[in-house]
Amino acid sequence: DARVTQTPRHKVTEMGQEVTMRCQPILGHNTVFWYRQTMMQGLELLAYFRNRAPLDDSGMPKDRFSAEMPDATLATLKIQPSEPRDSAVYFCASGFGQLNEKLFFGSGTQLSVL
Amino acid sequence: GDSVTQMEGPVTLSEEAFLTINCTYTATGYPSLFWYVQYPGEGLQLLLKATKADDKGSNKGFEATYRKETTSFHLEKGSVQVSDSAVYFCATTGSSNTGKLIFGQGTTLQVKP
Repeated sequence: DARVTQTPRHKVTEMGQEVTMRCQPILGHNTVFWYRQTMMQGLELLAYFRNRAPLDDSGMPKDRFSAEMPDATLATLKIQPSEPRDSAVYFCASGFGQLNEKLFFGSGTQLSVL
Repeated sequence: GDSVTQMEGPVTLSEEAFLTINCTYTATGYPSLFWYVQYPGEGLQLLLKATKADDKGSNKGFEATYRKETTSFHLEKGSVQVSDSAVYFCATTGSSNTGKLIFGQGTTLQVKP
């Protein structure tokens, strides 16, 4: 079965360190989303790409977060420097078509910043 | 701005009970509406969808009807099972229909034997 692959599954790091999360979208999908999930805020949209171009990153703290798609098979989300409040589960999802009628989610990266 | 509001959880039911999880949305025009489900330790999966008013989405015994007059998309199931225990998210494409999905806070369902 085609699936969205996220690495790493778990990451524990110290405050101030750089964190890079990777996502391999499903082959043929042209949209990629990054979401952050916390108990307090629920699911927050961080960034949204279509055909590798960023369409919306208004939910992302620009001073420390960055999202890129170096090619169609890889999306990255970086945090530098990381802070304890960044602790959350980060999900990548991919879809296709104008309306993304069905999104496929990865299993997430659980990030703990100490 | 566009938003989705779900009933707060957790919802605790006995097996074979009737389930309703309320969802209302704020958006103009005719957004698409979705229910996603998240099992423990996993990402979200699409459960059902509706793309226009009065459409009924259904899957695995779950149903939801797109009601534009009340801006609602309530999730229902006639007889829940223990395996339905999960977190359920209502979502919409919002007013712009650019494909961006806006999610509600999620509602935890716990079904006891």
